[in-house]
Amino acid sequence: EADIYQTPRYLVIGTGKKITLECSQTMGHDKMYWYQQDPGMELHLIHYSYGVNSTEKGDLSSESTVSRIRTEHFPLTLESARPSHTSQYLCASSDYRGPGDEQYFGPGTRLTVT
Amino acid sequence: GNSVTQMEGPVTLSEEAFLTINCTYTATGYPSLFWYVQYPGEGLQLLLKATKADDKGSNKGFEATYRKETTSFHLEKGSVQVSDSAVYFCALRFKAAGNKLTFGGGTRVLVKP
Repeated sequence: EADIYQTPRYLVIGTGKKITLECSQTMGHDKMYWYQQDPGMELHLIHYSYGVNSTEKGDLSSESTVSRIRTEHFPLTLESARPSHTSQYLCASSDYRGPGDEQYFGPGTRLTVT
Repeated sequence: GNSVTQMEGPVTLSEEAFLTINCTYTATGYPSLFWYVQYPGEGLQLLLKATKADDKGSNKGFEATYRKETTSFHLEKGSVQVSDSAVYFCALRFKAAGNKLTFGGGTRVLVKP
């Protein structure tokens, strides 16, 4: 069973606020990912990490930033939220060393910026 | 670049009907192929996968066969239930590309009693 957690599940916040979306996994996975899911359901990779102190930009440009100081933790930060950031954000992790190396997803954070 | 194309939804079915969701891909080489399912209010769950041509992935009554000739990975289920109502995503991955998934646009399926 996948153990990957995201908080908060829902967030409504005003324009200009700084926010951090939390993602934690207890599986010891080295790879972690952030996806943005727009209202039309499409999923776009915005950030990923191969391990501690490793972060990379994904396929879709994003104004958010990420950090990976601990293996289990991969927070995403928006310094100044805007209505265009309204979306669902999904975190995932995988164990590249494992035979399956499939990605496990968290439940998501639905962000609304007013 | 790599891409995945899925049939657009919503797909509305009656219980016990046959379900097919078409998925085709464009890629250089031979990726691994996946179907993920997203139930309302939840994250994605891996439904099934296939890692090489002619492999058949199966789980919970769903099946999909990796067809290299037609670059397809269509999802099928013989008799759907109301609980199968969800959004289904087809995806591909190259391990050499850092394990990153490329998703299709998703297909919403609604099963009515």
